Amino acid sequence: DTGVSQNPRHKITKRGQNVTFRCDPISEHNRLYWYRQTLGQGPEFLTYFQNEAQLEKSRLLSDRFSAERPKGSFSTLEIQRTEQGDSAMYLCASSLGDMGRDTQYFGPGTRLTVL
Amino acid sequence: AQSVTQLGSHVSVSEGALVLLRCNYSSSVPPYLFWYVQYPNQGLQLLLKYTTGATLVKGINGFEAEFKKSETSFHLTKPSAHMSDAAEYFCAVSHGSGNTGKLIFGQGTTLQVKP
Repeated sequence: DTGVSQNPRHKITKRGQNVTFRCDPISEHNRLYWYRQTLGQGPEFLTYFQNEAQLEKSRLLSDRFSAERPKGSFSTLEIQRTEQGDSAMYLCASSLGDMGRDTQYFGPGTRLTVL
Repeated sequence: AQSVTQLGSHVSVSEGALVLLRCNYSSSVPPYLFWYVQYPNQGLQLLLKYTTGATLVKGINGFEAEFKKSETSFHLTKPSAHMSDAAEYFCAVSHGSGNTGKLIFGQGTTLQVKP
């Protein structure tokens, strides 16, 4: 069990550019979650997948954001036409099961800076 | 809607002193409650969780928390602080019925441990 991994760990981009982040969950975990964390705040839910199906999206996830989880393994989060307000830490978590009591295991995050 | 309030964004204790981090939640359904710890440049790590059953929950590193429904609280305690406990702590709630697993986090409490 190697844990949840995220790449890249840091991304600096210019306003208006597109960025894509990758999350590799713990092997055989069927659920995968994305959260966003800004400085001094707790993580905020963005979206989650059960296997390859995206089951819920937060209102925080504007139409510039898209997430995929092809084949129910790794997931990507893409942000189009980035804005300075998108600067944050993007966290991925995975869990085994389909209940709210299941423990979510978090990756180290991808820190995005939009200039 | 569910929410979490952590009282005190910064808590400072001396090494060996009692640690008390406060968390109050709001939920219209029985909640699942979690405490996570975040060390610098690392992902969130689960300390403990309450799902059902015993209201006093013991976690890793000597931490424990008690679910008090009448007070809508889930405060985190440790009898004797260690320097290595210095980190940011997050309380979170998820829906206690149904299968959505998204976590709603508090804004976090930074614990400082003085020698």
